[in-house]
Amino acid sequence: EPEVTQTPSHQVTQMGQEVILRCVPISNHLYFYWYRQILGQKVEFLVSFYNNEISEKSEIFDDQFSVERPDGSNFTLKIRSTKLEDSAMYFCASSVSPFIQYFGAGTRLSVL
Amino acid sequence: GIQVEQSPPDLILQEGANSTLRCNFSDSVNNLQWFHQNPWGQLINLFYIPSGTKQNGRLSATTVATERYSLLYISSSQTTDSGVYFCAVRETSGSRLTFGEGTQLTVNP
Repeated sequence: EPEVTQTPSHQVTQMGQEVILRCVPISNHLYFYWYRQILGQKVEFLVSFYNNEISEKSEIFDDQFSVERPDGSNFTLKIRSTKLEDSAMYFCASSVSPFIQYFGAGTRLSVL
Repeated sequence: GIQVEQSPPDLILQEGANSTLRCNFSDSVNNLQWFHQNPWGQLINLFYIPSGTKQNGRLSATTVATERYSLLYISSSQTTDSGVYFCAVRETSGSRLTFGEGTQLTVNP
């Protein structure tokens, strides 16, 4: 069964460093999303992406964050200057239409 | 924005018991999904169920959209059912899924 693939599974970084989280969505999907989950809390929406542009973003998705689809298969989330509070599990999701969203296994980001 | 409330927040069962998890939402939705988050943090799709009833093995779900709630039934629970169960909804406008706080299920042998 096709699945959303995220790399790395765990990323450790120093505060102030830039990180790029990578995702390979399911191949025929057109809508892409990033969510995050701070330890012990619920999953929160960050951004959705369709037709090579951001279609919706949350209040969390400030100027420190950016997304890109650099080629036909990858979808990336960049955090420019990480803060301690960016430590979380980051999930990528994709969907054929804006209905059923399929989630990757997540990247655990630890900011020290 | 839409509010999603799940109950109970915690549930402890003995293996073999049945359970019902509830999800209430505050507005009309186009999408409702149930997820199981396993101990490794993975979000596993259980059901896409904006309305009606579906069954998959020991799990079934019912959404009554007009009354703005959904129920997830787990029958004959097993220790591998342990984890957090999330309900997530998408409003009629927008693309985001809004998640509830989850129900932490522990199934003891």
